[in-house]
Amino acid sequence: DAGVIQSPRHEVTEMGQEVTLRCKPISGHNSLFWYRQTMMRGLELLIYFNNNVPIDDSGMPEDRFSAKMPNASFSTLKIQPSEPRDSAVYFCASSWAQLGQFFGPGTRLTVL
Amino acid sequence: ELKVEQNPLFLSMQEGKNYTIYCNYSTTSDRLYWYRQDPGKSLESLFVLLSNGAVKQEGRLMASLDTKARLSTLHITAAVHDLSATYFCAVATSGGGADGLTFGKGTHLIIQP
Repeated sequence: DAGVIQSPRHEVTEMGQEVTLRCKPISGHNSLFWYRQTMMRGLELLIYFNNNVPIDDSGMPEDRFSAKMPNASFSTLKIQPSEPRDSAVYFCASSWAQLGQFFGPGTRLTVL
Repeated sequence: ELKVEQNPLFLSMQEGKNYTIYCNYSTTSDRLYWYRQDPGKSLESLFVLLSNGAVKQEGRLMASLDTKARLSTLHITAAVHDLSATYFCAVATSGGGADGLTFGKGTHLIIQP
């Protein structure tokens, strides 16, 4: 089992640039979650999908953030334009039923 | 708004000792999760607690859930250095189905030889 796959693993970009983070959930899982981790704010839920449908995006910090899940095996989180305060580790997780969420390796984003 | 509080936030202990990490949460939920995170790594699922009175054990770690008290504990027995990590508890934000998690701030655990 490959686990949750995220790309890129590291991203360094300049303020104002568009950033796209990608996630492939575990095959057969029907829920997908995006989290952000920073030293100041800890782990925060940004948005999650059930059966490819966005259920709760109240954690998305601003309109600069958007997420899509066009099919059961792929999701993107886009930031446009990026700002230095968006620097964080972004985790994608997937789950099936209530059996717990399995996290990907994360994308470490640095916005200069 | 659901709040999840862990204590202590930092714990340094000797090998061989026992200790307990506490996780309190503010609203009704019957699903609680414990995760481990090593420095620079992702989160590893440790326990899934889905009902009042649930108790699960894996090696030197044991987790329990009291939904009436809105309290979960993670007990470490005869700690060993390999258990050094940050431990997070997380609570599902609403009942039923798959829901986003609200995390505590984490307990940074250092076990010294």
